[in-house]
Amino acid sequence: DADVTQTPRNRITKTGKRIMLECSQTKGHDRMYWYRQDPGLGLRLIYYSFDVKDINKGEISDGYSVSRQAQAKFSLSLESAIPNQTALYFCATSDSRAGGPTDTQYFGPGTRLTVL
Amino acid sequence: SQKIEQNSEALNIQEGKTATLTCNYTNYSPAYLQWYRQDPGRGPVFLLLIRENEKEKRKERLKVTFDTTLKQSLFHITASQPADSATYLCALILGSNYQLIWGAGTKLIIKP
Repeated sequence: DADVTQTPRNRITKTGKRIMLECSQTKGHDRMYWYRQDPGLGLRLIYYSFDVKDINKGEISDGYSVSRQAQAKFSLSLESAIPNQTALYFCATSDSRAGGPTDTQYFGPGTRLTVL
Repeated sequence: SQKIEQNSEALNIQEGKTATLTCNYTNYSPAYLQWYRQDPGRGPVFLLLIRENEKEKRKERLKVTFDTTLKQSLFHITASQPADSATYLCALILGSNYQLIWGAGTKLIIKP
Protein backbone atom coordinates (compact mmCIF):
# COMPACT_ATOMS: atom_id res chain seq x y z
CA ASP A 1 0.00 0.00 0.00
CA ALA A 2 1.65 3.25 -1.16
CA ASP A 3 0.12 5.08 1.82
CA VAL A 4 2.53 3.25 4.13
CA THR A 5 6.15 3.35 3.08
CA GLN A 6 9.17 1.63 4.55
CA THR A 7 12.85 2.32 4.06
CA PRO A 8 15.06 0.60 3.23
CA ARG A 9 13.36 -2.23 1.36
CA ASN A 10 16.38 -4.48 1.67
CA ARG A 11 19.35 -4.34 4.03
CA ILE A 12 22.29 -6.60 4.63
CA THR A 13 24.34 -5.89 7.71
CA LYS A 14 26.83 -7.50 10.04
CA THR A 15 26.47 -8.73 13.58
CA GLY A 16 26.82 -5.94 16.11
CA LYS A 17 25.84 -3.11 13.81
CA ARG A 18 23.10 -0.63 14.69
CA ILE A 19 20.26 -0.58 12.21
CA MET A 20 17.26 1.70 11.85
CA LEU A 21 14.19 0.85 9.82
CA GLU A 22 11.84 3.70 9.03
CA CYS A 23 8.12 3.83 8.42
CA SER A 24 6.03 6.73 7.17
CA GLN A 25 2.31 6.93 6.52
CA THR A 26 0.01 9.39 4.82
CA LYS A 27 -3.22 7.72 5.93
CA GLY A 28 -3.66 10.00 8.94
CA HIS A 29 -3.92 6.99 11.25
CA ASP A 30 -3.03 7.33 14.92
CA ARG A 31 -1.90 3.76 15.57
CA MET A 32 1.31 2.25 14.23
CA TYR A 33 2.91 -1.17 14.62
CA TRP A 34 6.11 -3.03 13.90
CA TYR A 35 6.01 -6.76 13.13
CA ARG A 36 8.50 -9.34 12.02
CA GLN A 37 7.65 -12.28 9.78
CA ASP A 38 9.66 -15.48 9.68
CA PRO A 39 9.02 -18.48 7.41
CA GLY A 40 6.48 -20.83 8.94
CA LEU A 41 5.60 -18.40 11.73
CA GLY A 42 2.85 -15.87 12.00
CA LEU A 43 3.51 -12.17 12.15
CA ARG A 44 4.84 -11.30 15.58
CA LEU A 45 4.35 -7.92 17.16
CA ILE A 46 7.51 -6.10 18.22
CA TYR A 47 6.19 -2.71 19.35
CA TYR A 48 3.04 -0.69 18.90
CA SER A 49 2.11 2.93 19.40
CA PHE A 50 -1.42 4.25 19.84
CA ASP A 51 -0.29 7.85 19.58
CA VAL A 52 2.91 9.87 19.66
CA LYS A 53 3.23 9.65 23.45
CA ASP A 54 2.05 6.06 23.82
CA ILE A 55 4.52 3.28 23.00
CA ASN A 56 4.10 -0.30 24.10
CA LYS A 57 6.11 -3.47 23.94
CA GLY A 58 4.75 -6.33 21.92
CA GLU A 59 5.38 -10.03 22.07
CA ILE A 60 9.07 -9.92 21.06
CA SER A 61 10.52 -6.51 21.98
CA ASP A 62 13.89 -7.70 23.35
CA GLY A 63 16.74 -6.42 21.18
CA TYR A 64 14.59 -3.74 19.56
CA SER A 65 13.66 -0.15 20.33
CA VAL A 66 11.32 2.31 18.64
CA SER A 67 10.73 6.00 18.24
CA ARG A 68 7.49 7.73 17.25
CA GLN A 69 8.83 11.00 15.89
CA ALA A 70 5.45 12.24 14.70
CA GLN A 71 2.02 10.81 14.10
CA ALA A 72 3.15 9.82 10.63
CA LYS A 73 6.56 8.35 11.48
CA PHE A 74 7.55 5.29 13.47
CA SER A 75 11.10 3.95 13.45
CA LEU A 76 12.44 0.60 14.59
CA SER A 77 16.04 0.22 15.77
CA LEU A 78 18.20 -2.78 16.32
CA GLU A 79 20.89 -1.52 18.66
CA SER A 80 23.27 -4.42 18.04
CA ALA A 81 22.02 -6.69 15.30
CA ILE A 82 22.35 -10.46 15.60
CA PRO A 83 21.77 -13.17 12.98
CA ASN A 84 18.47 -14.39 14.47
CA GLN A 85 17.04 -10.96 13.73
CA THR A 86 17.21 -11.83 10.07
CA ALA A 87 13.58 -11.56 8.96
CA LEU A 88 11.01 -9.61 6.99
CA TYR A 89 9.87 -6.55 8.93
CA PHE A 90 6.53 -4.88 8.41
CA CYS A 91 5.15 -1.59 9.58
CA ALA A 92 1.37 -1.28 9.86
CA THR A 93 -1.13 1.40 10.75
CA SER A 94 -4.72 1.48 11.96
CA ASP A 95 -7.28 4.12 12.76
CA SER A 96 -8.83 4.08 16.23
CA ARG A 97 -11.70 6.21 14.94
CA ALA A 98 -12.68 3.57 12.39
CA GLY A 99 -14.44 1.26 14.79
CA GLY A 100 -12.31 0.37 17.78
CA PRO A 101 -12.15 -3.36 18.07
CA THR A 102 -12.14 -4.06 14.37
CA ASP A 103 -8.70 -2.44 14.10
CA THR A 104 -8.11 -3.19 10.43
CA GLN A 105 -4.42 -2.86 9.79
CA TYR A 106 -2.74 -1.43 6.71
CA PHE A 107 0.72 -2.70 5.95
CA GLY A 108 3.78 -1.29 4.29
CA PRO A 109 5.71 -3.27 1.68
CA GLY A 110 8.19 -4.67 4.18
CA THR A 111 11.93 -4.51 4.77
CA ARG A 112 13.98 -7.63 4.21
CA LEU A 113 16.82 -7.56 6.75
CA THR A 114 19.75 -9.97 6.68
CA VAL A 115 22.23 -10.02 9.55
CA LEU A 116 25.44 -11.85 8.76
CA SER B 1 -0.52 -23.56 25.25
CA GLN B 2 -2.07 -20.95 23.04
CA LYS B 3 -1.70 -21.36 19.32
CA ILE B 4 -3.25 -20.64 15.94
CA GLU B 5 -2.99 -23.21 13.21
CA GLN B 6 -3.39 -22.82 9.48
CA ASN B 7 -2.55 -25.52 6.93
CA SER B 8 1.18 -25.26 6.43
CA GLU B 9 1.09 -27.09 3.13
CA ALA B 10 0.07 -25.27 -0.01
CA LEU B 11 -3.48 -25.84 -1.19
CA ASN B 12 -3.83 -26.56 -4.91
CA ILE B 13 -7.27 -25.93 -6.41
CA GLN B 14 -8.55 -26.12 -9.97
CA GLU B 15 -9.82 -22.85 -11.41
CA GLY B 16 -13.56 -22.48 -10.99
CA LYS B 17 -13.73 -24.64 -7.88
CA THR B 18 -14.28 -23.48 -4.31
CA ALA B 19 -11.18 -23.10 -2.17
CA THR B 20 -11.59 -23.63 1.57
CA LEU B 21 -8.92 -22.58 4.04
CA THR B 22 -8.95 -23.41 7.75
CA CYS B 23 -7.89 -21.46 10.82
CA ASN B 24 -7.97 -23.34 14.11
CA TYR B 25 -7.05 -21.91 17.49
CA THR B 26 -6.66 -23.18 21.04
CA ASN B 27 -6.84 -21.48 24.40
CA TYR B 28 -7.94 -18.16 22.99
CA SER B 29 -11.34 -16.53 23.23
CA PRO B 30 -11.29 -13.96 20.45
CA ALA B 31 -14.12 -11.53 20.04
CA TYR B 32 -13.18 -10.96 16.42
CA LEU B 33 -11.28 -12.69 13.67
CA GLN B 34 -9.83 -11.20 10.51
CA TRP B 35 -8.59 -12.65 7.23
CA TYR B 36 -5.83 -11.05 5.16
CA ARG B 37 -4.25 -11.80 1.82
CA GLN B 38 -0.51 -11.58 1.28
CA ASP B 39 1.20 -11.64 -2.11
CA PRO B 40 4.93 -12.36 -2.47
CA GLY B 41 7.03 -9.35 -1.54
CA ARG B 42 4.03 -7.42 -0.27
CA GLY B 43 2.43 -6.67 3.06
CA PRO B 44 -0.85 -8.34 4.07
CA VAL B 45 -4.08 -6.77 2.84
CA PHE B 46 -7.29 -6.90 4.89
CA LEU B 47 -10.16 -8.93 3.42
CA LEU B 48 -12.86 -9.63 6.00
CA LEU B 49 -13.71 -9.29 9.68
CA ILE B 50 -16.13 -11.55 11.52
CA ARG B 51 -17.41 -11.10 15.06
CA GLU B 52 -17.92 -13.89 17.59
CA ASN B 53 -21.69 -13.52 17.42
CA GLU B 54 -21.70 -13.83 13.62
CA LYS B 55 -21.79 -17.27 12.08
CA GLU B 56 -21.02 -16.18 8.55
CA LYS B 57 -19.83 -13.14 6.60
CA ARG B 58 -19.75 -12.65 2.84
CA LYS B 59 -18.05 -10.29 0.45
CA GLU B 60 -18.40 -10.94 -3.26
CA ARG B 61 -16.83 -14.40 -3.86
CA LEU B 62 -15.49 -14.62 -0.31
CA LYS B 63 -17.21 -16.23 2.66
CA VAL B 64 -15.96 -16.59 6.22
CA THR B 65 -17.47 -18.68 9.00
CA PHE B 66 -16.63 -18.51 12.69
CA ASP B 67 -17.45 -21.36 15.07
CA THR B 68 -16.46 -20.41 18.61
CA THR B 69 -17.40 -23.86 19.91
CA LEU B 70 -15.08 -25.64 17.48
CA LYS B 71 -12.60 -22.76 17.75
CA GLN B 72 -12.38 -22.63 14.00
CA SER B 73 -12.84 -20.22 11.13
CA LEU B 74 -13.23 -21.32 7.51
CA PHE B 75 -12.44 -19.04 4.57
CA HIS B 76 -14.04 -19.87 1.24
CA ILE B 77 -13.34 -18.49 -2.22
CA THR B 78 -15.98 -19.54 -4.72
CA ALA B 79 -15.41 -19.67 -8.48
CA SER B 80 -11.69 -19.44 -7.81
CA GLN B 81 -9.37 -17.75 -10.30
CA PRO B 82 -5.59 -17.89 -10.81
CA ALA B 83 -5.47 -14.29 -9.54
CA ASP B 84 -6.67 -15.60 -6.17
CA SER B 85 -3.34 -17.37 -5.74
CA ALA B 86 -1.67 -15.92 -2.64
CA THR B 87 -1.04 -16.66 1.02
CA TYR B 88 -4.03 -16.13 3.28
CA LEU B 89 -3.56 -15.20 6.93
CA CYS B 90 -6.02 -15.33 9.79
CA ALA B 91 -5.68 -13.09 12.81
CA LEU B 92 -7.48 -13.18 16.15
CA ILE B 93 -8.31 -9.96 17.94
CA LEU B 94 -7.82 -10.19 21.68
CA GLY B 95 -7.97 -8.07 24.75
CA SER B 96 -8.91 -4.55 25.56
CA ASN B 97 -6.13 -3.15 23.38
CA TYR B 98 -7.32 -5.26 20.44
CA GLN B 99 -3.95 -6.85 19.81
CA LEU B 100 -3.85 -9.12 16.77
CA ILE B 101 -2.46 -12.66 17.02
CA TRP B 102 -1.55 -14.09 13.62
CA GLY B 103 -1.56 -17.49 12.03
CA ALA B 104 1.37 -18.43 9.76
CA GLY B 105 -0.84 -18.48 6.69
CA THR B 106 -1.81 -20.96 3.99
CA LYS B 107 -0.51 -20.67 0.45
CA LEU B 108 -3.28 -21.08 -2.10
CA ILE B 109 -2.50 -21.98 -5.71
CA ILE B 110 -5.28 -21.84 -8.28
CA LYS B 111 -4.41 -23.80 -11.41
CA PRO B 112 -5.87 -22.78 -14.80
